[in-house]
Amino acid sequence: GQNIDQPTEMTATEGAIVQINCTYQTSGFNGLFWYQQHAGEAPTFLSYNVLDGLEEKGRFSSFLSRSKGYSYLLLKELQMKDSASYLCAPRGTDKLIFGTGTRLQVFP
Amino acid sequence: EAGVVQSPRYKIIEKKQPVAFWCNPISGHNTLYWYRQNLGQGPELLIRYENEEAVDDSQLPKDRFSAERLKGVDSTLKIQPAELGDSAVYLCASSLETVYNEQFFGPGTRLTVL
Repeated sequence: GQNIDQPTEMTATEGAIVQINCTYQTSGFNGLFWYQQHAGEAPTFLSYNVLDGLEEKGRFSSFLSRSKGYSYLLLKELQMKDSASYLCAPRGTDKLIFGTGTRLQVFP
Repeated sequence: EAGVVQSPRYKIIEKKQPVAFWCNPISGHNTLYWYRQNLGQGPELLIRYENEEAVDDSQLPKDRFSAERLKGVDSTLKIQPAELGDSAVYLCASSLETVYNEQFFGPGTRLTVL
């Protein structure tokens, strides 16, 4: 079957670091995407991992372990504008499967 | 470069009425997706087109939902008749070639069925 598990909500303070974890089971695996979605807006692409390891992109990094079915998104130097939902989306044989998302609230 | 365009942005209808959503993908993107997103959930794929061919419609409730992409560019998703449980945001996305590429999402249509 297919299953994606990520925390429902997280809170953090401006300037801090937060790690959002995602575990997944899919039929076939062809990489994993992270998307950011602000309330009432469309998801926007953050990162893509297809091989094991860490991909760094400015303040955001994403890690993948295919053998463990595990990924995380690391957000550094948090800003108020980072308050949003973060969607983990592994790609199965022929489609993306989105998790329910982690709602991150950043406080001053 | 223009992004994915969707209309209308908001729609309120009474149950049993028909409704249609329109999407124009990014120019040159031959793969188009329709998703439904319920409150507090991630997007759920309804149908995927490669050019004018529907290559994955396994999650489309075919008794009331239909979609078309006649010329392989813009697309329409229709619900007839709408039910209360259809209230959701309907997102359109497009990508170059197939699912192996990043998907770009439109702003969505928020449907409320009363």
